[in-house]
Amino acid sequence: DGGITQSPKYLFRKEGQNVTLSCEQNLNHDAMYWYRQDPGQGLRLIYYSQIVNDFQKGDIAEGYSVSREKKESFPLTVTSAQKNPTAFYLCASSRPGRTTGNTIYFGEGSWLTVV
Amino acid sequence: SQQGEEDPQALSIQEGENATMNCSYKTSINNLQWYRQNSGRGLVHLILIRSNEREKHSGRLRVTLDTSKKSSSLLITASRAADTASYFCATDEENTDKLIFGTGTRLQVFP
Repeated sequence: DGGITQSPKYLFRKEGQNVTLSCEQNLNHDAMYWYRQDPGQGLRLIYYSQIVNDFQKGDIAEGYSVSREKKESFPLTVTSAQKNPTAFYLCASSRPGRTTGNTIYFGEGSWLTVV
Repeated sequence: SQQGEEDPQALSIQEGENATMNCSYKTSINNLQWYRQNSGRGLVHLILIRSNEREKHSGRLRVTLDTSKKSSSLLITASRAADTASYFCATDEENTDKLIFGTGTRLQVFP
């Protein structure tokens, strides 16, 4: 089945540690995104990538890093510089189009908790 | 920055009633979309309306767009308990492919 796979679903991090969240898509989409969602809140854009080997900062990129070495993969690293990393992280992908619109498809999310 | 703001933040209704949610945004857009999120899950696309469209239907969903007021509404008719979820609007700014989400409306439908 085509889709977006995020792993792990649940992750616990000790303070001072870096952790990496995986995101893989087999939809052949060019664009990929990472969003952060805090409980009861909307989504905030962390990073996005419109093409392999290129990515742009979103609204809350500080303390996060990404790479886009392959079209299918867009891992997110939450670094120790991120002061409040406990949140729900959502990966998404799309095939942007001016006429068809930029509908994006989401993974099931990863819960990160700092202990 | 948040592009869209949904109103109300929370809505509780009985099954069979209609639910209306509103979204306001700030800049010119190409399209506006509505997404649904069940608790603890990813978002699912519901409907897209282009900036040159004023109304669109999909099953029990009706979306309107008023670009002069920079606002949109989502109407769910004859609601069901299974419609309980959070609903988000999302806009893509002109000349970018970046999709910005609003703060969401939490809908509770009681059986």
